Amino acid sequence: DVKVTQSSRYLVKRTGEKVFLECVQDMDHENMFWYRQDPGLGLRLIYFSYDVKMKEKGDIPEGYSVSREKKERFSLILESASTNQTSMYLCASGGKRGQPQHFGDGTRLSIL
Amino acid sequence: GENVEQHPSTLSVQEGDSAVIKCTYSDSASNYFPWYKQELGKRPQLIIDIRSNVGEKKDQRIAVTLNKTAKHFSLHITETQPEDSAVYFCAATLLTGFQKLVFGTGTRLLVSP
Repeated sequence: DVKVTQSSRYLVKRTGEKVFLECVQDMDHENMFWYRQDPGLGLRLIYFSYDVKMKEKGDIPEGYSVSREKKERFSLILESASTNQTSMYLCASGGKRGQPQHFGDGTRLSIL
Repeated sequence: GENVEQHPSTLSVQEGDSAVIKCTYSDSASNYFPWYKQELGKRPQLIIDIRSNVGEKKDQRIAVTLNKTAKHFSLHITETQPEDSAVYFCAATLLTGFQKLVFGTGTRLLVSP
């Protein structure tokens, strides 16, 4: 069974802080994704990565960056957290050959 | 780029009734359409998917239909049960190496006993 693990379920940070959200998958998937989920807006793609050290912007990359130094780990970085980044963040991984995306449990991030 | 619209945003049915959720997509190149179910406080989980080379796929009480000409696809749940209550998301993508899914905004399904 695919396992996608996010480091924290709940996180509270202050405005201006640098915030790291970590995600690890155990299926040797090439593709990894970070989404943001807000009520009424569905899941919106922030960034994705298709290989180690490779990254592509999604639909809402502003204020975020990512890092993928190892195949199994994909990190989302909020460079200087702001209150409008309070949200649920979901990580997903998927293979290249038509394998579906599998999600982690999510991190509910509050920026005060 | 791809845009996916999903309707309705909320759907209330009685146990045993059928439920239908509809999505439309804009990019005719999209060829993969998954559906995810998200129960309260849990991760989205894939419940069924369809590729553009088939028009319908069924798995027990769940079915998905695809109309490529009209660019819409639908989720059908028969004999609904209270445990079907959740938020359902449709998505669309072109199955290439990236598989960048574009999601609908979700449908909150409530099944009353």
